[in-house]
Parts: sequence; structure tokens; C-alpha cells
Amino acid sequence: KNEVEQSPQNLTAQEGEFITINCSYSVGISALHWLQQHPGGGIVSLFMLSSGKKKHGRLIATINIQEKHSSLHITASHPRDSAVYICAVISYNTDKLIFGTGTRLQVFP
Amino acid sequence: DSGVTQTPKHLITATGQRVTLRCSPRSGDLSVYWYQQSLDQGLQFLIQYYNGEERAKGNILERFSAQQFPDLHSELNLSSLELGDSALYFCASSPHRVGDREAFFGQGTRLTVV
Repeated sequence: KNEVEQSPQNLTAQEGEFITINCSYSVGISALHWLQQHPGGGIVSLFMLSSGKKKHGRLIATINIQEKHSSLHITASHPRDSAVYICAVISYNTDKLIFGTGTRLQVFP
Repeated sequence: DSGVTQTPKHLITATGQRVTLRCSPRSGDLSVYWYQQSLDQGLQFLIQYYNGEERAKGNILERFSAQQFPDLHSELNLSSLELGDSALYFCASSPHRVGDREAFFGQGTRLTVV
């Protein structure tokens, strides 16, 4: 079993829909990252969380440390949101980043 | 633009060869991280340097090595290349440990081994 699990693996949405991507992890962490990888391959760090909730534009990320779970929400989705979204945790013990396998999102007009 | 610069963007080389990938971190960032993204393994953490010293090691092969120079740029050296080393190699930087600050990623170097 992977230490970081994401769901769903693939997600298709119509423009304007509210989207949720989930991340569960099994190790103790010091922080969690949500990354966005564009079709060209470039990676952008969207959020770094260690507790609570963060919002940036149409993106919202939440984390529940007790439940070892994080969610990434996209409100009013747009085709330009189409990308792979990757959850990555920093292991508290080893300080290493452990990546989820990613969620491929496609938003159609 | 993340402020992290990786060169070259693309690299094609033959099996058995050696290549060097370069990363310039954001101004002021002391930590540099290297990651490999291959089709079958996803993103894998390779190694981290902090202020010139190796700080954490992930799934880095013995054929691979890295270093961080006094000006904080880093190089990842890949030797005795195999077809399976074809991947995207990303570098990221942050001011301190990844756990304390956000990491900023470069655009990656796409390595193709033929």
C-alpha cells in the first residue's frame, strides 16, 4: 500500500463544476504540499499546509491532521485547470517528500 | 516563473554516457531538491542539499550523484546511463527544510537515453 493515496485517479468535469481531490496518508508528517503539473510537464507548488485551510483564488486546500487527510477543492472549474494534481507529504521522521500518484483532471468547456 | 532555473531543458544521449543537469535555486534559497519523474514510477525524491551539504537522501542510484556549490547552484550527475533513466528530472528550492517553507520547482530537464 502506498504511503500517500490520492483519489480519484482521473476526473472529468464540465466547466463551472466544483471539484474535489482527496489525499490520504499513513505516515506522520510535518507538512503537505499540493502540486499542479501542467501538460507540458512543469510543476507548480499550489499550497503547503501543516494545519487548517488555505485559499488562493478559486483553489482551497484543507488538511485534517488527526484523520491524515487533505482535500483540494477547485470552485468554478475552467478548462485551464486541466492538469495533474499531486499530493506530497513531508515525512516527520525522515524529512523526505513522499508523492501520491496524482489525479488527472480534465475540464471541458 | 518560479525563480528556479534548470538547464538544459532537453537532453538526448546514448546508453553508457554521463550527463550533468544543472539547477539554480531562487535567490536566497539554501535548500535544493532533486526529483525524478518517470512514466512507471511517478515522482520520486532523489536527494536534498542544504547550504552545500547533503541533508536527505531518497531513492538515488549509486550511478547518480549530486553536489551543491558555494553559490548554491546544484548539479546532478548521471553516469553509465541506461534506457530506464529516461525521465523528467526536477529541481526545487526552498529557504529551509521543505517542511517549513513552500518549495518552488524548476521547469525540469527531460532526459532521453537512446
